[in-house]
Amino acid sequence: NAGVTQTPKFQVLKTGQSMTLQCAQDMNHNSMYWYRQDPGMGLRLIYYSASEGTTDKGEVPNGYNVSRLNKREFSLRLESAAPSQTSVYFCASSTGVDYEQYFGPGTRLTVT
Amino acid sequence: SQQGEEDPQALSIQEGENATMNCSYKTSINNLQWYRQNSGRGLVHLILIRSNEREKHSGRLRVTLDTSKKSSSLLITASRAADTASYFCAAGVAGTYKYIFGTGTRLKVLA
Repeated sequence: NAGVTQTPKFQVLKTGQSMTLQCAQDMNHNSMYWYRQDPGMGLRLIYYSASEGTTDKGEVPNGYNVSRLNKREFSLRLESAAPSQTSVYFCASSTGVDYEQYFGPGTRLTVT
Repeated sequence: SQQGEEDPQALSIQEGENATMNCSYKTSINNLQWYRQNSGRGLVHLILIRSNEREKHSGRLRVTLDTSKKSSSLLITASRAADTASYFCAAGVAGTYKYIFGTGTRLKVLA
């Protein structure tokens, strides 16, 4: 039982490059989330998926797209990376509303 | 920004003392959760309190919620060096699956 896994752990991109961050959970959770955490700050919600087949914008969706590939997997894509997207990205999953979230270990992304 | 606020931003105490941190939020909520984060690693869930609850206990943790003031507090009793971490509140926005996190409190427990 691995919980929530994220790949890659670290990534360096040049401005304008694209990449996809992968997230998978093995807890049969319905809901999945993508957050970013900037230095000294709390997490901000980028996108979430309440259930398989649905996705919705969070607080800071600009510059990102997501795909809920199946119940287990939720990916985050940066189409044209910008230095402002340098951050640590966390994926989380949950049974649903009113349940705790389980977090992955994070992806440290640097855009130069 | 809808981001919640926590105070204090940083707290340094001696082992065995109690630590209290406060969270304020701006929306109506389904629930309020508290998480711990060690050194930039993933967050670990501590406790969840629903909007119709006022107080909840779990081991050395005590959480209170005042929805009229849109605030919550987390009390850690008899703190240990291993409690050194950052603590975040997360407000579950009512009627949605969204969560708004606070800015965090950095707790340092001195042995």
